[in-house]
Amino acid sequence: EIVMTQSPATLSVSPGERATLSCRASQSVSTKIAWYRQKPGQAPRLLIYGASTRAPDIPARFSGSGSGTEFTLTINSPQSEDFAVYYCQQYNDWPPEYTFGQGTKLEIK
Amino acid sequence: DVQLVESGGGLQQPGGSLRLSCAASGFTFSDYAMAWVRQTPGKGLEWVSNINGNGGSTFYAGSVRGRFIISRDNSKNTLYLQMTSLRAEDTAVYFCAKFSDTHFGELSPFDVWGQGTLVTVS
Repeated sequence: EIVMTQSPATLSVSPGERATLSCRASQSVSTKIAWYRQKPGQAPRLLIYGASTRAPDIPARFSGSGSGTEFTLTINSPQSEDFAVYYCQQYNDWPPEYTFGQGTKLEIK
Repeated sequence: DVQLVESGGGLQQPGGSLRLSCAASGFTFSDYAMAWVRQTPGKGLEWVSNINGNGGSTFYAGSVRGRFIISRDNSKNTLYLQMTSLRAEDTAVYFCAKFSDTHFGELSPFDVWGQGTLVTVS
């Protein structure tokens, strides 16, 4: 099983600051990684796939980078709705054994 | 509007059974692989099972293999998860999710999720 490790567990940023979230895979997943945002009481929402491609209707303040085992989600000037939990997920494994990181909570400083 | 609506969750005793359903709308259901993903406060998000578009190929997480069965009825645009031999550790919110890509199928992310249905085993 590919283990996805996210850091930090909690990230405090002030409005207008940049938020940088990290995700590490225990083995290479190429660029088959997605990022999701989950607000309380809601389902996860796809933000980024293929490590760096924004999903439809996702604003440009979200960007993703990385390949292999190290990945980053950057949120420029987070809005109020962005203070939530973020998960990375790999979908490179076959037979499938999709795995998620444990999440990073983005909170307002 | 693309939508997934789960139902069938509830309280069940250990060893019992439940069947979850997920009604899909707004897209050509049979074109897409589908999955079940569950979430607990302790273990976070955990992939449970997935099925390809025609229902001929299924995969399961080791924690549920042999106890859960995923299926679909493309004539009803509905995905199912039959859960048997339930354990306390199966307690979770269960989401159905759609794979995003018809070409890459199950090597694509989940682009649409249902609102989830709570299963409690106690």
